[in-house]
Amino acid sequence: ETGVTQTPRHLVMGMTNKKSLKCEQHLGHNAMYWYKQSAKKPLELMFVYNFKEQTENNSVPSRFSPECPNSSHLFLHLHTLQPEDSALYLCASSQVGGATYGYTFGSGTRLTVV
Amino acid sequence: KQEVTQIPAALSVPEGENLVLNCSFTDSAIYNLQWFRQDPGKGLTSLLLIQSSQREQTSGRLNASLDKSSGRSTLYIAASQPGDSATYLCAHSGGGADGLTFGKGTHLIIQP
Repeated sequence: ETGVTQTPRHLVMGMTNKKSLKCEQHLGHNAMYWYKQSAKKPLELMFVYNFKEQTENNSVPSRFSPECPNSSHLFLHLHTLQPEDSALYLCASSQVGGATYGYTFGSGTRLTVV
Repeated sequence: KQEVTQIPAALSVPEGENLVLNCSFTDSAIYNLQWFRQDPGKGLTSLLLIQSSQREQTSGRLNASLDKSSGRSTLYIAASQPGDSATYLCAHSGGGADGLTFGKGTHLIIQP
């Protein structure tokens, strides 16, 4: 496996369900990110983890709960979501201080809340 | 609030044409700028990364330029092909682990 891997690729969940999105990076990067992509809007940064420590939370509702157990894995725990939370959720990684490498993105999880 | 604007929002041209996609940004202290390609329902594929000290980068038929003083970047696609059809996204970072600020993208269709 190389790059950034996200699972599952597609997820349909009811508003009362609890589910988790998983992201794994095989690049040796030290920072990981969750982004939300909704139709007609730019990608929105949700959470940032730098060396496993959460350094940014862009006013994301508490029904989204991130977890970063180590620098290679990132989770997004979901509970009691709303239909407007349906979107493509993208994970990314980067090497802080590594200006020449930029950001690498996964293929995303398409989430539908019913 | 930092903003990234991409023009045009959509573009449809016959194959073989040379194209220019535009990106403008309000943050003059960017650390680097990255161009991505996104196919429908897929993730982002990095095309070119330009550091703030650089003026341009090239990869195959793609050339990206950066003018920090005017807050502009362009992506030039030479001899376009139907396989180039996708959404092209421009994004910049301020260095560190602060994430990327994205534009809304240019939806490009290359007609066979």
